[in-house]
Amino acid sequence: DIQMTQSPSFLSASVGDRVTITCRASQSVSNFLNWYQQKPGKAPRLLIFAASSLQSAVPSRFSGSGSGTDFTLTISNLQPEDFATYYCQQSYITPRAFGQGTKVEIK
Amino acid sequence: QVQLVQSGAEVKKPGASVKVSCKASGYTFIGYYIYWVRQAPGLGLEWMGRINPNNGDTSNSQRFHGRVTMTRDTSISTVYIELSSLRSDDTAVYYCARGIGSIQQLDVWGQGTTVTVTS
Repeated sequence: DIQMTQSPSFLSASVGDRVTITCRASQSVSNFLNWYQQKPGKAPRLLIFAASSLQSAVPSRFSGSGSGTDFTLTISNLQPEDFATYYCQQSYITPRAFGQGTKVEIK
Repeated sequence: QVQLVQSGAEVKKPGASVKVSCKASGYTFIGYYIYWVRQAPGLGLEWMGRINPNNGDTSNSQRFHGRVTMTRDTSISTVYIELSSLRSDDTAVYYCARGIGSIQQLDVWGQGTTVTVTS
């Protein structure tokens, strides 16, 4: 099975900051890498698919990059509604594992 | 609009089984895989498996050791997941989600169904 490891697990940031979250796969997943945002009590929301493609209606301050085993999610100009938990997921092979999550909290 | 609506919360005893439904609307039901993901309290997302509503083919995570069964009823655009031999650590919110495109990203999610396993 492919293991997905996110870092950091937790980060504290201020409104207006630029935030970067890293996701590493235990073997290559090509560009089959997706990012989701989840707020407490809610279902996850797709932000980025295919490593760098922005999902419809997602603000352009979200961006993704990477291929193979190393990926990043960047949030530029962090907004109050961006405080949430973020998960990466590989959709290359079954089981299509998620990372353990990165919680972004207000400093 | 495209949506997935799941069945209501369940409370089960250890050793019992639970069956959760996920009703699709707003799109061609047989055209998209449905995935199941769960989240235990305070923890992350766990991929459980997927079903092809067109032909019923399934693929499950081996972590559940054959306890997971996924089915579909095309006449009512609904998929089901059944988890047997329930344990307390199966207590979680269970989500269905639609996979789309060659990447199979999960673009539409159900609202989640809370399953509580308690004696």
